[in-house]
Amino acid sequence: ETGVTQTPRHLVMGMTNKKSLKCEQHLGHNAMYWYKQSAKKPLELMFVYNFKEQTENNSVPSRFSPECPNSSHLFLHLHTLQPEDSALYLCASSQSSRGGGYNEQFFGPGTRLTVL
Amino acid sequence: GESVGLHLPTLSVQEGDNSIINCAYSNSASDYFIWYKQESGKGPQFIIDIRSNMDKRQGQRVTVLLNKTVKHLSLQIAATQPGDSAVYFCAENTGGFKTIFGAGTRLFVKA
Repeated sequence: ETGVTQTPRHLVMGMTNKKSLKCEQHLGHNAMYWYKQSAKKPLELMFVYNFKEQTENNSVPSRFSPECPNSSHLFLHLHTLQPEDSALYLCASSQSSRGGGYNEQFFGPGTRLTVL
Repeated sequence: GESVGLHLPTLSVQEGDNSIINCAYSNSASDYFIWYKQESGKGPQFIIDIRSNMDKRQGQRVTVLLNKTVKHLSLQIAATQPGDSAVYFCAENTGGFKTIFGAGTRLFVKA
């Protein structure tokens, strides 16, 4: 176990549905990340939150909406998704300072999302 | 039409042999270089990292070599075991939150 949990592990949704992915870390970290891992592309960073503030949005479509209510929890709200959004969505966390910087990231097991 | 997945380079080694996984990176401004291992059904797991002011770093059974002249990174695994079978990713970071991952190499270990 890495100390980062994600729920659900699997999700099937229609294009008109609204769903949310949840991530929780028990490591006392202050930075949290969402990544997309698809069959066609390398692992892609989507969003970064540091001390609950969003610091990176990697040109992600607005049908993906992140939320970070506290440093231990991260959500990804999904609505009006497309079949090409089907992928493994990975959450990660790391130690951080308010000024940012590189630190080792700890990944959760991911949510396997299928959009029909 | 049929979707095409990412074609991963594959390395097949005999149990007990040493493995060398190679990676080319693109950004000469990258300051940190990281290796991750991803087993089936799991998220990536950190193995080892190296900073740009070093050219070699050793961990438990692993060694990372960095050649900045040709922008090349390698991971050496000593005495490869069946449990080492996984996809290995190299990644680069310029010192902030944004880490860029490579496509990965699949390692098969034959018993």
